[in-house]
Amino acid sequence: NAGVTQTPKFQVLKTGQSMTLQCAQDMNHEYMSWYRQDPGMGLRLIHYSVGAGITDQGEVPNGYNVSRSTTEDFPLRLLSAAPSQTSVYFCASSSPGSPGSEKLFFGSGTQLSVL
Amino acid sequence: QKEVEQDPGPLSVPEGAIVSLNCTYSNSAFQYFMWYRQYSRKGPELLMYTYSSGNKEDGRFTAQVDKSSKYISLFIRDSQPSDSATYLCATKKTSYDKVIFGPGTSLSVIP
Repeated sequence: NAGVTQTPKFQVLKTGQSMTLQCAQDMNHEYMSWYRQDPGMGLRLIHYSVGAGITDQGEVPNGYNVSRSTTEDFPLRLLSAAPSQTSVYFCASSSPGSPGSEKLFFGSGTQLSVL
Repeated sequence: QKEVEQDPGPLSVPEGAIVSLNCTYSNSAFQYFMWYRQYSRKGPELLMYTYSSGNKEDGRFTAQVDKSSKYISLFIRDSQPSDSATYLCATKKTSYDKVIFGPGTSLSVIP
């Protein structure tokens, strides 16, 4: 099984550019989420979704958009990149309500630098 | 105030030591408590999960939750160099709720 697949693994952007970080899971998970990880800050939740067509904001949503048109995909869009968005981004999914459901499955991360 | 607080360390211990990692949280509505382990340049992996108060043991690892004091602990017995990683506590209110992480504690186990 592929699990949670994130692309790209590395990306360099210039200030003001836009881009989409891709996340796909093949486990039929209802719950999907995006985190950013900065030194000393742990994982901070950007946006999350409990099913197709349903999204909600996390702790640090400003500057990011998401949509969930299918169960499998949960892309994260940076509208106008800023240096403050330089970070490592993780996508994670889980299957709430089922045995072992508390386990979040993480992708391998995307390292983003905004110059 | 962050919803979940954790001493970032770094924590350095000799091999074989007992390690105690701790978190505090602010919202009494949290009911699900998890510990994740993250190796350098990898995504986090679930280590332990506890629902509500109590203890849970898995091999060398013991997780404790004290809801009366809003305190979460992870104990590692007979620590090994392979335990060197960042440990993140996490919590949520309901099964379908968002998962909130603490900032993580960096642990080094010295041979």
